[in-house]
Amino acid sequence: DSGVTQTPKHLITATGQRVTLRCSPRSGDLSVYWYQQSLDQGLQFLIQYYNGEERAKGNILERFSAQQFPDLHSELNLSSLELGDSALYFCASSQGGADTQYFGPGTRLTVL
Amino acid sequence: EDQVTQSPEALRLQEGESSSLNCSYTVSGLRGLFWYRQDPGKGPEFLFTLYSAGEEKEKERLKATLTKKESFLHITAPKPEDSATYLCAVQASGSARQLTFGSGTQLTVLP
Repeated sequence: DSGVTQTPKHLITATGQRVTLRCSPRSGDLSVYWYQQSLDQGLQFLIQYYNGEERAKGNILERFSAQQFPDLHSELNLSSLELGDSALYFCASSQGGADTQYFGPGTRLTVL
Repeated sequence: EDQVTQSPEALRLQEGESSSLNCSYTVSGLRGLFWYRQDPGKGPEFLFTLYSAGEEKEKERLKATLTKKESFLHITAPKPEDSATYLCAVQASGSARQLTFGSGTQLTVLP
């Protein structure tokens, strides 16, 4: 158990809908990262937050957004969902200055 | 653009048969190279971080090594419970800390 929690574990929804994925980092970790893992693309970095501020952006679609709250939990919002958005979404966390990222168990999103 | 290539894509070993997994990388200034283990449907589990060429780290039957262009994950006398996908990732120097992952090596250890 990495100490990173994600909810929900599974999410099934329809095209065009909007969903919110939630992540709680390990105790004391200030950085949160979101990654997408699909069969054809592997693990792809989406976005990083550090202590409430956006720090880095990767291949994140405009339909996707994220935020980190004062209690350091983070939410990833996915809107206007398409079939191709079906994937595993992972959250990872690290201490402010440390490099090692610890991953949560993931949320499996299925868009029908 | 940072790039990570892992080989082989899949590897089947008999229990006790040692082997190595390869991770080749190109990065604009390496901050760190990471190895993770991932079981199906689960999150990646951290194994090792390597920072400079010549560095080695060990954990049970696994040993990771680093050169200026590649890293190896050596598996000595593997057991069936070592079956998993092994992921390599690089982190570039700079203020951002995101990881660039390879596509992984799927290891199967047969009893």
